Amino acid sequence: DIQMTQSPSSVSASVGDRVTITCRASQGISSWLAWYQQKPGKAPKLLIYAASSLQSGVPSRFSGSGSGTDFTLTISSLQPEDFATYYCQQANSFPRVFTFGPGTKVDIK
Amino acid sequence: QVQLQESGPGLVKPSETLSLTCAVSGYSISSGYYWGWIRQPPGKGLEWIGSIYHSGSTYYNPSLKSRVTISVDTSKNQFSLKLSSVTAADTAVYYCASGGGEDFDYWGQGTLVTVSS
Repeated sequence: DIQMTQSPSSVSASVGDRVTITCRASQGISSWLAWYQQKPGKAPKLLIYAASSLQSGVPSRFSGSGSGTDFTLTISSLQPEDFATYYCQQANSFPRVFTFGPGTKVDIK
Repeated sequence: QVQLQESGPGLVKPSETLSLTCAVSGYSISSGYYWGWIRQPPGKGLEWIGSIYHSGSTYYNPSLKSRVTISVDTSKNQFSLKLSSVTAADTAVYYCASGGGEDFDYWGQGTLVTVSS
């Protein structure tokens, strides 16, 4: 099974900061990597799909990059509404299994 | 716009079967897409349970496969989850979600299921 790790597990940042979160897969997954934002008591929201494609309606300050085993989510200028937990998720083609990373909590410094 | 709504008992006894339904509006299940269940224990991360494609093919998390059944009812435009032999470790918020390929772009609001006698 493919395992996903994220670093850091938490980060304290200020409004306007640039924040980068890393996700690593235990084996190559091409570009089948998505990123989600989750706020307390709410369902996750898709931000990035196929490693670097911005989901419709998501602000352009969010960007994703990477392929193979190493991926990053970058928030170019952190806004108050961005304080949340971020999860990566891989989709292995065969066998068809989806795996989420453990999450990265972004909170106020 | 696809909308998803979970429903089912909020309390299930240990060893019994957890059953949830996800009603879909704004899209016909039989037209395509895939439909899945994800859960989140209190204070913890997300765990994919399984998915079903419009063709009827199912894919399950290997760690839950022996206890999970996901099915589709196209006449009611809904899909369902059954998780057997539950324990306290199955206490979680259960989300239904949908997507077109390798991710989930529509989510229900989630429903808390507690396993307790």
